[in-house]
Amino acid sequence: KNQVEQSPQSLIILEGKNCTLQCNYTVSPFSNLRWYKQDTGRGPVSLTIMTFSENTKSNGRYTATLDADTKQSSLHITASQLSDSASYICVVTSNTNAGKSTFGDGTTLTVKP
Amino acid sequence: NAGVTQTPKFRILKIGQSMTLQCTQDMNHNYMYWYRQDPGMGLKLIYYSVGAGITDKGEVPNGYNVSRSTTEDFPLRLELAAPSQTSVYFCASSTLGLAGVNEQFFGPGTRLTVL
Repeated sequence: KNQVEQSPQSLIILEGKNCTLQCNYTVSPFSNLRWYKQDTGRGPVSLTIMTFSENTKSNGRYTATLDADTKQSSLHITASQLSDSASYICVVTSNTNAGKSTFGDGTTLTVKP
Repeated sequence: NAGVTQTPKFRILKIGQSMTLQCTQDMNHNYMYWYRQDPGMGLKLIYYSVGAGITDKGEVPNGYNVSRSTTEDFPLRLELAAPSQTSVYFCASSTLGLAGVNEQFFGPGTRLTVL
């Protein structure tokens, strides 16, 4: 069964600090991995999309890495801001069915002043 | 562009009632999706559509129906509401399927409570 597991479940950091969120998956065959940011009460917003051949991709202060061999990804947030407080969701899509992806349960990040 | 819009934002239903959640996108996307998100859980795919007139089941389709008569609209129908359908519902769209490298855009969600 395709699964996506994220850790930690929740995280609290101080403003200005860096943090790293983890995503492990068993989805096969692999097509791509996405990271989304979901603010409370809103829909997810895409941060990065990575394919098999990509090891790293950045979007401002967000940097995602992918190790397709170990089936692991991380999202690194640099110099955190209060507005980074949100849930971060890892999504992995298999290329066997274009319409379906497996969503992780998310990591809830709280940035405190 | 408004992107993906959903109505209503909130709704309370009684057990056995029916309702339609509306979803519209103005980006001319072929693919549209309905997800539900239970507290602390990942999004689960209910139904999706690859174009007007074509729909298919996702992981959790029971209790729901959809139609796609136009490219823009993808309504989700609940026929006999049950407490297990209490959730937040998100509509999304993309140009191509998610196996391709193209962005998926989400609506703001509809929070549904069934009592």
